[in-house]
Amino acid sequence: GAGVSQSPRYKVAKRGQDVALRCDPISGHVSLFWYQQALGQGPEFLTYFQNEAQLDKSGLPSDRFFAERPEGSVSTLKIQRTQQEDSAVYLCASSRGLDTQYFGPGTRLTVL
Amino acid sequence: EDQVTQSPEALRLQEGESSSLNCSYTVSGLRGLFWYRQDPGKGPEFLFTLYSAGEEKEKERLKATLTKKESFLHITAPKPEDSATYLCAVHGSSNTGKLIFGQGTTLQVKP
Repeated sequence: GAGVSQSPRYKVAKRGQDVALRCDPISGHVSLFWYQQALGQGPEFLTYFQNEAQLDKSGLPSDRFFAERPEGSVSTLKIQRTQQEDSAVYLCASSRGLDTQYFGPGTRLTVL
Repeated sequence: EDQVTQSPEALRLQEGESSSLNCSYTVSGLRGLFWYRQDPGKGPEFLFTLYSAGEEKEKERLKATLTKKESFLHITAPKPEDSATYLCAVHGSSNTGKLIFGQGTTLQVKP
């Protein structure tokens, strides 16, 4: 497609459930980023991939968060044993290198 | 530590009433300053990238400027469709391209 796509757009999970969020970057974009956006706040960096290599995971809030990009294209952000504080919009962005990042529509996660 | 602060948090304008949004930043070495527009329920939409002090970019009713400490997003004769949250972000000292965002300015333009 022409832009970054994310699925699902909305996810409701019960506390303690595992969730998986998918990101399809713009074709040919080497770099892929995940951000977390709380209500009324700007996005906060979670992790960065260059092709299949995860080069920066300094923003992942706990070891319950795990991201992968095994073939250097599609990426999955997994959250294990979800907690209420994980409720947020999760944004994926891609770029050709380290220049302008283009964002997807986000996945809104609600943990009950 | 890289930091970005945007002001005001919210801004209400009448249609046609020009104004400016401010983005103050602290970085050890600026590699790029980005402006995005975000509509409710959507992801940020890219507007501008600025790389060095003195640089300016324009798009329709929007003009972005950059100094060594801050950036301004000037909105000339805004229309109701310009209503959105405007986000400023910097690519600073990180070698991995991560962006540091401000909290955003929510603009409402009334007809």
